[in-house]
Order: sequence, then C-alpha cells, then structure tokens
Amino acid sequence: DIEMTQSPSSVSASVGDRVTITCRASQGMSIWLAWYQQKAGKAPNLLIHSASTLRSGVPSRFSGSGSGTDFTLTISSLQPEDFATYYCQQANSFPLSFGQGTRLEIK
Amino acid sequence: EVQLLESGGGLVQPGGSLRLSCVGSGFTFSSYAMSWVRQAPGKALEWVSAINNNGRDTYYADYVKGRFTISRDNSKNTLFLQMNSLRADDTALYYCAYGGQFQGPFDYWGQGTLVTVSS
Repeated sequence: DIEMTQSPSSVSASVGDRVTITCRASQGMSIWLAWYQQKAGKAPNLLIHSASTLRSGVPSRFSGSGSGTDFTLTISSLQPEDFATYYCQQANSFPLSFGQGTRLEIK
Repeated sequence: EVQLLESGGGLVQPGGSLRLSCVGSGFTFSSYAMSWVRQAPGKALEWVSAINNNGRDTYYADYVKGRFTISRDNSKNTLFLQMNSLRADDTALYYCAYGGQFQGPFDYWGQGTLVTVSS
C-alpha cells in the first residue's frame, strides 16, 4: 500500500505570497498524483492531476511538479480565495490514499 | 451539468447497518468507475471503496474490507454502499466521486451524506 505524507500540516501566509506544499509517497508512483482544494463545508475540488496537469478552469497561479516519490504544489501569488485545505491523492494503485492535508491560513 | 446526490446517512448504533445511495445525472453513468470517499469531522479525506463501470471489479480500503460492499445499478444511475458492523470510527461524511480513470483523480464529487455511529 502507498502511504502519502504531506508537509507542512499547516502554513500561515499573506496575500501575494508564494507557497509550496510537499507530498511524499512511500513508494514510487510515476506521475499518478492529484491535488485537491477543500474549503470549509464543501466537497473537495480537483486542481491538478498527473502531477502537473492543471484542470481546465483552475487559475495558472497553481502549479504542480514531481514524479516518483516527491511532489509539490505551488501557489505563485496567494489570493484571498486560496485560503483552504489542500490534499494530495495517489492514483497509482489500489488501495487509493490521500495525504493528511495542509491547512493554508491567513497570516 | 454533472450532479451526484448522496442519501441514506443517519444515526445508527454500533454494530448496525446502513445503505448509502448516490444518484448520478448529467453524464453517462454506466461509462464511469465510481468511488466512495469519507471524511470524519475535522479529519482528512479517506478513500473507502471503488467499483468499475460494469460493477465486476471492486476494491476496498483495509479498514472497511469485509464490512462494506459497493455495488451499482446502471439502469438507475445509482451507486450503493452497504455498510454493516458499523463502528464509532466509521462516523464521517461520505462522498461519492468519479473521474476519467478507475483510480482517479476525482473530477466530480457529491455534497456528501453524514453517517453517525453512536449509542
């Protein structure tokens, strides 16, 4: 089974800041990683799939990179609507798994 | 417009059973694998189970294997999750979700149905 470890668990930042979130897999999984954003009381929203492919309609300030075991989500210039919790998900093999989440808070 | 509407949640005693449903619309339900994902209050997302488009292949997380059964009725555009031997740590909001591939990612999610296991 593939275990996903996200870091940090929480981060405080200001509007306009650049933020990077990391996700590490317990074993290699090529590029089969997705990133989701979840706002309070809402279902998750897919941002990025295949490690670096932006879903249609997602702002270009979001980007993803990585392969194998190490992946990153970067938000280049934080906007007020970006303060939320972010999750990675491995889509390489069953059982599927999510990271424990990164809460992005306003400084 | 794609819609996924879950139902069937509620309060159940430990050891009890519930059957969740998820009705899909706005897409060709029978063409897509479906999954259940849950989220305990204040906790992370947790994948539960998946089923392929024709219902013949199913997968489960270890923590529900042998207790939960996923199924689907493509004639009614409906996904099910039969949950037996429920435990307090099964308390969560249960989402149905799907995407282009069996393993995800999940492009579309319902709003969830809340399951509370408590005496």
